[in-house]
Amino acid sequence: GQNIDQPTEMTATEGAIVQINCTYQTSGFNGLFWYQQHAGEAPTFLSYNVLDGLEEKGRFSSFLSRSKGYSYLLLKELQMKDSASYLCASMDSNYQLIWGAGTKLIIKP
Amino acid sequence: GAVVSQHPSRVICKSGTSVKIECRSLDFQATTMFWYRQFPKKSLMLMATSNEGSKATYEQGVEKDKFLINHASLTLSTLTVTSAHPEDSSFYICSAPTRAYNEQFFGPGTRLTVL
Repeated sequence: GQNIDQPTEMTATEGAIVQINCTYQTSGFNGLFWYQQHAGEAPTFLSYNVLDGLEEKGRFSSFLSRSKGYSYLLLKELQMKDSASYLCASMDSNYQLIWGAGTKLIIKP
Repeated sequence: GAVVSQHPSRVICKSGTSVKIECRSLDFQATTMFWYRQFPKKSLMLMATSNEGSKATYEQGVEKDKFLINHASLTLSTLTVTSAHPEDSSFYICSAPTRAYNEQFFGPGTRLTVL
C-alpha cells in the first residue's frame, strides 16, 4: 500500500534549527514535496525533490534519499511565523500526491 | 508563482441545498485540477481529479453524484456539493499542477458549513 509517515508534532526554539523527517512508500515515484500550512489556510509550496541530495532555498532545505524512501525538511534560524503544519507528499506513478498527516511545528520564544 | 483562485472562500448553507465552488487558474492553463477536502487537524484527502474536456476521476468512496465536477475550460473547474448535509461541512481545496507536475498551486480553500 501507499504510506507517508511523519511526526505528529515537534517543538523548537526561536532562532534554532529543526529537522522534520518523512518516510514514504508509494506506487512509483515522481518526486517528494514539502508544503507549509497555517491553520485555516491552504498549503503553500516549499520544495520539490526528485533526485537524491540536498536542495537549499534560503532558510529552508530539503533532502531526499530515494533508496531509503526518506526525506527531511530542515528549517534554520527559526522565526515565530514558522509555526505551522508541514506536509510531506510523495507523487506516485499516476502523478497524484499521497499526503502525510502533517507535522505541527510549535516555535517557542 | 502561479495563482489559483477559489470562490467562495466561505459559505454557510441549509441542509438539502446545493453549493457550487469555483476554482480558477489565473495565469496558466490547467488541463488537470485536483479537489481535496480537509477535516480539522487532518491531512488533505484527494476527492477527485478534474480533467478538462472529459469526466472527472473520483477516488474510492467519493460519491460522484453528490460531488459533481465540471472542468469546462483550461482555467476553470467547479465542484458542486449537491443536497448538502452537515457531514459535508469541511474545508475544500483545489489545486492545479504545472505542466511538468513539479509543483502544485493551491487555491485558498472554501470553508463549507452546512446547518
